[in-house]
Amino acid sequence: DTGVSQDPRHKITKRGQNVTFRCDPISEHNRLYWYRQTLGQGPEFLTYFQNEAQLEKSRLLSDRFSAERPKGSFSTLEIQRTEQGDSAMYLCASRKTSGGHTGANVLTFGAGSRLTVL
Amino acid sequence: AQKVTQAQTEISVVEKEDVTLDCVYETRDTTYYLFWYKQPPSGELVFLIRRNSFDEQNEISGRYSWNFQKSTSSFNFTITASQVVDSAVYFCAASGSARQLTFGSGTQLTVLP
Repeated sequence: DTGVSQDPRHKITKRGQNVTFRCDPISEHNRLYWYRQTLGQGPEFLTYFQNEAQLEKSRLLSDRFSAERPKGSFSTLEIQRTEQGDSAMYLCASRKTSGGHTGANVLTFGAGSRLTVL
Repeated sequence: AQKVTQAQTEISVVEKEDVTLDCVYETRDTTYYLFWYKQPPSGELVFLIRRNSFDEQNEISGRYSWNFQKSTSSFNFTITASQVVDSAVYFCAASGSARQLTFGSGTQLTVLP
């Protein structure tokens, strides 16, 4: 297994356009997370899936953002009508639930998709 | 919910020096986990260490060691004999009853040759 893959690695778009990012988690990982990271800041949680179910969404996830994981494998994050404030690195992470404490996350992260909105 | 504070924005050391990265956390959970991740220039966050709230025993793993003190809500991370390849942004993170990690703002470590 090659880890968590994200595509594209870089995306430059004009304000108002829609963009979509894809994440392929580690194959046996049933939990998938999306984070956003702006320059000089730590990653901020956006949403997560357990299999195909989206179980939690952050208040950061405005109605212009939508995430899916239709078959419980790969996930997509779409941003509609992009704004300059959406410029950030979008990170995907995954883990396998083990029945232990829910907080015992060791997330495996992808390299991220960097979005620049002009 | 957790809050993680990394007061050091940037640290520069000369190769072979020891360096300690500070982390202070806040949580209302009685069971929680603390983490350190490394983010090299390539951008991929790499897991380094994890401790749970019941285990304050400090450990050493190779050149890495950590000091977990519940009394001061601190989880500091030390690299001994630093190397140029250690240059990266280091993030402290916490999780508890919430299912996601909460990260600090990171410390940029530069190791000079």
